[in-house]
Amino acid sequence: GDSVTQMEGPVTLSEEAFLTINCTYTATGYPSLFWYVQYPGEGLQLLLKATKADDKGSNKGFEATYRKETTSFHLEKGSVQVSDSAVYFCALCSNTGNQFYFGTGTSLTVIP
Amino acid sequence: DAGVIQSPRHEVTEMGQEVTLRCKPISGHNSLFWYRQTMMRGLELLIYFNNNVPIDDSGMPEDRFSAKMPNASFSTLKIQPSEPRDSAVYFCASSLMPGLRTDTQYFGPGTRLTVL
Repeated sequence: GDSVTQMEGPVTLSEEAFLTINCTYTATGYPSLFWYVQYPGEGLQLLLKATKADDKGSNKGFEATYRKETTSFHLEKGSVQVSDSAVYFCALCSNTGNQFYFGTGTSLTVIP
Repeated sequence: DAGVIQSPRHEVTEMGQEVTLRCKPISGHNSLFWYRQTMMRGLELLIYFNNNVPIDDSGMPEDRFSAKMPNASFSTLKIQPSEPRDSAVYFCASSLMPGLRTDTQYFGPGTRLTVL
């Protein structure tokens, strides 16, 4: 079945460092891919998404490109801030639109 | 828009008691999801509804758990009887279009349940 595999955490970076959080997926057909972010004490909120191959989602300086050839959707940011400290979830919605899968989450801590 | 509303935000109860969690989805949204989040198991989808009809409840852990959606603006998740291992944060989420693979889920703030 469909699934999402996400980079294990936790990740600790200094402010202004480059961030990559890896996400790969297994799916039939053409799923949609998402990154959600969860700040402490809050629910998940959409960070960005991509709905077809080679699409790039971007928001708040974060980017991820839907790579069908490598079945990946890695999250990147060129210069992280303390306020980016959160848990990041990669997610997939199946081709049929009826199955949803979340990764295990990657905790990011950015230190000044 | 008020977003997805969940109540209560925190619930502490004793083993064996009945617990009812409540959710009000975003107005106009037609899909509703219940998730459970724990450190050990991460985020798990328990059940979801399209147009008030349960579509997939394969994630519901056992018969002690039940969920209803009597109308488009309200859903409940009930645990009876509750057990300490049910302690977790329970999230409700809603989305606009059933079966639309590009759709975004909007999460509520969660209910933190502690069963003593």
